[in-house]
Amino acid sequence: EPEVTQTPSHQVTQMGQEVILRCVPISNHLYFYWYRQILGQKVEFLVSFYNNEISEKSEIFDDQFSVERPDGSNFTLKIRSTKLEDSAMYFCASSDRVGLYEQYFGPGTRLTVT
Amino acid sequence: DAKTTQPPSMDCAEGRAANLPCNHSTISGNEYVYWYRQIHSQGPQYIIHGLKNNETNEMASLIITEDRKSSTLILPHATLRDTAVYYCIVRDHYNQGGKLIFGQGTELSVKP
Repeated sequence: EPEVTQTPSHQVTQMGQEVILRCVPISNHLYFYWYRQILGQKVEFLVSFYNNEISEKSEIFDDQFSVERPDGSNFTLKIRSTKLEDSAMYFCASSDRVGLYEQYFGPGTRLTVT
Repeated sequence: DAKTTQPPSMDCAEGRAANLPCNHSTISGNEYVYWYRQIHSQGPQYIIHGLKNNETNEMASLIITEDRKSSTLILPHATLRDTAVYYCIVRDHYNQGGKLIFGQGTELSVKP
């Protein structure tokens, strides 16, 4: 069964450093998402992406964040200058169409900012 | 913010049906009810969705009241592997951005 994969599974970085979280969505999917979950809190939407453009973003997704689909398979989330409060689990998701559809989530990347 | 209300936790005996309620009293005509679950900090997993008719798939059944103000997710024979946080989400069919808005969900503990 096709699945969304994410690398790395755990990333430790120092405050102020840039990080790139990588995702490989399911191959025929066209819509891509990033969510995050701070430990003990709810899953929060960050951004959706379609046709090489951001479709929607939340208030969390400020200028420190960017997304890119650099090739036909990868979807990345970059945080330019990490803060302690960026420590969270980051989930990538994809879906094959808009409307009535399910989103398939990856296993997540745990980001720890020290 | 999430438009649903769920109990924070529930217990269920292994092999019995787990009935998870959700209130969505402000649901509008275009909004569907979706259920996802999250097993121990893994990525959320889609379970089922519906508009107004009851739905069933290999994982669960979804019962939506006639006025659509509440619904119940039924896991017919719960196993220990069904222990997870279950999220009830209402979404606009025409939401082109596609985001999911998660609430706190119901933490279901299936006990032997």
